Amino acid sequence: GAVVSQHPSRVICKSGTSVKIECRSLDFQATTMFWYRQFPKQSLMLMATSNEGSKATYEQGVEKDKFLINHASLTLSTLTVTSAHPEDSSFYICSAGKQGWDQPQHFGDGTRLSIL
Amino acid sequence: AQSVTQPDIHITVSEGASLELRCNYSYGATPYLFWYVQSPGQGLQLLLKYFSGDTLVQGIKGFEAEFKRSQSSFNLRKPSVHWSDAAEYFCAVGDYPGAGSYQLTFGKGTKLSVIP
Repeated sequence: GAVVSQHPSRVICKSGTSVKIECRSLDFQATTMFWYRQFPKQSLMLMATSNEGSKATYEQGVEKDKFLINHASLTLSTLTVTSAHPEDSSFYICSAGKQGWDQPQHFGDGTRLSIL
Repeated sequence: AQSVTQPDIHITVSEGASLELRCNYSYGATPYLFWYVQSPGQGLQLLLKYFSGDTLVQGIKGFEAEFKRSQSSFNLRKPSVHWSDAAEYFCAVGDYPGAGSYQLTFGKGTKLSVIP
């Protein structure tokens, strides 16, 4: 099946640091990539949707200057958490999808971000 | 806007027993429904999906789900649970914004514990 690689799997860093998370679709070209945030014992909340070559569409309440998303190619999207603070600590998950209802999204294994 | 309700936060079953996880959705048109499973600290794996046609859908790992339009439900079932099925299960409804891939709205999840 399709594989989505997300890196790094875990990050621990100091407050004020910017952190970049990569999401790669390894064996298919992803029309769209999604970024989710998951709080402990809660569901996945969609943060933004990005189509290759276009600016990301952010969900209401998500600061686009805080969470920078780049989708430069059909196989790579990056999420950069700028000037991270402890409240940004969370589990971030990406998914990649192709156009069409019969194409399921494939999820990465997530990144555990801890800001000290 | 679409929404998904999973009424059960946590379910515990004995190994070998049958399982049913409930999911109710709210969506204005024909829903596109999914069940995903998440193991601790990992991403999501698609179990099955419903787009149209037969309302009883077969998935991986012996799971099935039945779409009932009259009840706005899409419950997940398995006749005999294995200890390896212990995980978090998410029901989701898909929405197609008109460009790229569809977006998913997730329920809050049901944690399944299996007693040996």
